[in-house]
Amino acid sequence: GAGVSQSPSNKVTEKGKDVELRCDPISGHTALYWYRQSLGQGLEFLIYFQGNSAPDKSGLPSDRFSAERTGGSVSTLTIQRTQQEDSAVYLCASSPWDSDYNEQFFGPGTRLTVL
Amino acid sequence: AQTVTQSQPEMSVQEAETVTLSCTYDTSESDYYLFWYKQPPSRQMILVIRQEAYKQQNATENRFSVNFQKAAKSFSLKISDSQLGDAAMYFCAYRGDNNDMRFGAGTRLTVKP
Repeated sequence: GAGVSQSPSNKVTEKGKDVELRCDPISGHTALYWYRQSLGQGLEFLIYFQGNSAPDKSGLPSDRFSAERTGGSVSTLTIQRTQQEDSAVYLCASSPWDSDYNEQFFGPGTRLTVL
Repeated sequence: AQTVTQSQPEMSVQEAETVTLSCTYDTSESDYYLFWYKQPPSRQMILVIRQEAYKQQNATENRFSVNFQKAAKSFSLKISDSQLGDAAMYFCAYRGDNNDMRFGAGTRLTVKP
């Protein structure tokens, strides 16, 4: 079966532009997570969805960041008025809600470069 | 808030030897899950091993095993018979009741032939 997919794999944008990053979770996975990984750093939690609702938005770094999920499936992370410090790899993960471990399955990430 | 600390930014091991990566965490919860993930240069995060806090027995997956010390809040990863393909970034992660995952800063493992 297909794993988590993300698009685009790479995105280069100019400072001040808006970008949309897409995540397609594994079919049937109800939980979806977004993380940010800056160069050489660990993963920074951004937001978590259970179904279409986001019970935990505490990790979003500013009001320029938003995310939505529709139909309990695809999620979009939007960054408005991008800044150079937004440059990072954005990782998406999904997990089945009712598994013992709720193991997270990760996508390959989107590398965002803000010039 | 839970925090995860990996105190070794880089580690090196000779092929076929054994290496241990350290991880400590801070939590007030009694039940939680701990994970080790591997991230090769491809960026794909791969689950290596996992441990439930209420299980006293240390998890083992082939050449990978953990030393889970709940009272000390320590969760180290031992890689035996290291192989060149084990070279990667290794992340320790904690998942508690609220289902989000907290990651350590990672340890870069180099395997020398």
